[in-house]
Amino acid sequence: DAGVTQSPTHLIKTRGQQVTLRCSPKSGHDTVSWYQQALGQGPQFIFQYYEEEERQRGNFPDRFSGHQFPNYSSELNVNALLLGDSALYLCASERRGIGHEQFFGPGTRLTVL
Amino acid sequence: AQRVTQPEKLLSVFKGAPVELKCNYSYSGSPELFWYVQYSRQRLQLLLRHISRESIKGFTADLNKGETSFHLKKPFAQEEDSAMYYCALSGDYILTGGGNKLTFGTGTQLKVEL
Repeated sequence: DAGVTQSPTHLIKTRGQQVTLRCSPKSGHDTVSWYQQALGQGPQFIFQYYEEEERQRGNFPDRFSGHQFPNYSSELNVNALLLGDSALYLCASERRGIGHEQFFGPGTRLTVL
Repeated sequence: AQRVTQPEKLLSVFKGAPVELKCNYSYSGSPELFWYVQYSRQRLQLLLRHISRESIKGFTADLNKGETSFHLKKPFAQEEDSAMYYCALSGDYILTGGGNKLTFGTGTQLKVEL
């Protein structure tokens, strides 16, 4: 099991563009969360998907949206990119239920010029 | 609102010296606290969580609800302990029926010198 995988590894976009990031959860996991980690900061929770629905959301604008597929993989979409969206985007997965650990992927580094 | 504070950006200790990484939190309910570690060029991984009360790689952390703290300690630092350490809180866990929504601190870079 490769664990949580994310693609692409790096991405460069310009202001105003749209971007899609992808995540495959660890085998046996059904819940996917996304985090944004700006330089020098800890990860910040964006949202979480379970059973193909957004279940929880952090303080991020509607420009950030997501999707979960029947195979539990997930996408994060960001529209109308701003310079401030430049960050490392982390995907984490877990098996739903109390006491389960959240496993993180390696992240996608997004640079907005 | 949930908040996690790690007051030190960088902590430098000598090999064999004791280590204490500080973490304070703010949460009105019963939090679940974690320490995550990120070694150079590796992904974020769970080091320990307060409910398991385990000692991992010689590290321990005790939840002090009176002081709202969850400091990470190790009696003798090793060179391989050099890494970025994040304290995190999952407060809405039970209310949402499961699914960690983690609030992280800004992290402390631990550097163990020879």
